[in-house]
Amino acid sequence: DAKTTQPNSMESNEEEPVHLPCNHSTISGTDYIHWYRQLPSQGPEYVIHGLTSNVNNRMASLAIAEDRKSSTLILHRATLRDAAVYYCILRDGFGNEKLTFGTGTRLTIIP
Amino acid sequence: SQTIHQWPATLVQPVGSPLSLECTVEGTSNPNLYWYRQAAGRGLQLLFYSVGIGQISSEVPQNLSASRPQDRQFILSSKKLLLSDSGFYLCAWSNVGLPPEGELFFGEGSRLTVL
Repeated sequence: DAKTTQPNSMESNEEEPVHLPCNHSTISGTDYIHWYRQLPSQGPEYVIHGLTSNVNNRMASLAIAEDRKSSTLILHRATLRDAAVYYCILRDGFGNEKLTFGTGTRLTIIP
Repeated sequence: SQTIHQWPATLVQPVGSPLSLECTVEGTSNPNLYWYRQAAGRGLQLLFYSVGIGQISSEVPQNLSASRPQDRQFILSSKKLLLSDSGFYLCAWSNVGLPPEGELFFGEGSRLTVL
């Protein structure tokens, strides 16, 4: 499986943008980049995904490097409710249903 | 709309006792089903996944087993629990046959404490 590397933890001030990095240097050409987040005592929830182009949705933006070896999840204006563990995972394009998560980044929002 | 339920939500069991966690999905057919475990302060560990009835792939050799007796039912079991089995167990599903854009939907989780 292609692996991802994320910082263990990050802090950000409330109402400021947050940039969460993810390295995936062994990504293959058909791997999709997915982001999930896990609030305390809950199951993870989908945030966003992309392949090559940058993506925006109501929750966040995803910036993908031109060589696709890294990506950044952008929360434009962090709120206290964004405090969670954020996971970056790769999902291949060959129907491999095995989806593995790393340890993610624990985001703390400072009021 | 699709929903996923797992139970029990909380479980305290003695070492050596059996375990059964159940997960059901409603509103979809032939989903992929997953069991993950999260130890305290750790990431998500994939335990089992299933692409169809009776088809189980095991990712981590251990004293746990999984079964899929029906299309939308996924059961996690153990004959004899170990202390190291304590953790937060999550069931998840995704659609089959969609492009890789398809997302995972997680249940509410089952917190197991083995004493």
